[in-house]
Amino acid sequence: KNEVEQSPQNLTAQEGEFITINCSYSVGISALHWLQQHPGGGIVSLFMLSSGKKKHGRLIATINIQEKHSSLHITASHPRDSAVYICAVGNTDKLIFGTGTRLQVFP
Amino acid sequence: EAQVTQNPRYLITVTGKKLTVTCSQNMNHEYMSWYRQDPGLGLRQIYYSMNVEVTDKGDVPEGYKVSRKEKRNFPLILESPSPNQTSLYFCASSLSNGYGYTFGSGTRLTVV
Repeated sequence: KNEVEQSPQNLTAQEGEFITINCSYSVGISALHWLQQHPGGGIVSLFMLSSGKKKHGRLIATINIQEKHSSLHITASHPRDSAVYICAVGNTDKLIFGTGTRLQVFP
Repeated sequence: EAQVTQNPRYLITVTGKKLTVTCSQNMNHEYMSWYRQDPGLGLRQIYYSMNVEVTDKGDVPEGYKVSRKEKRNFPLILESPSPNQTSLYFCASSLSNGYGYTFGSGTRLTVV
């Protein structure tokens, strides 16, 4: 079993829809990261969470430490949100990555 | 501009020909790390460095070497590349592990 599990693996949506991507992990962590990878390949860090909730524009990330679960929400989705979203958990010396959720938003 | 610079972006090489992928950061970050990304496997850590002259193996270190002689640079060395090292490679840095990461643009390596 992978230490970091993401669901769904693939997600398609119509422009304007509310999107939720889930991440569950089984190891002790110091922080959880949400990353975005566009088709060109570059990786951008969206959020780093150790508790609670963070919001940046239309993106919201939450984490429940007791349940070892995090969610990434996108409100009013747009075609430019199409990308792979990667959850990664950090402990003392490394990041452990989920395999990513591929999101496609159609006009 | 704060960034992690990787070079080259694309590289095609032949089996056994030594190569180096460079990684440099301008943020005075202590922590640097190398990852490879393969379809269906996601990102996996190759080596990491907590500070100058301090390096350690990640999950998939076989066939790779690194060095950290200066804080800003963390090159990845493939002494004798093999086709199973064909992959997309990323360097990343962080103030220290547990803080936000900045990733390089990636190096797509093909070994034939």
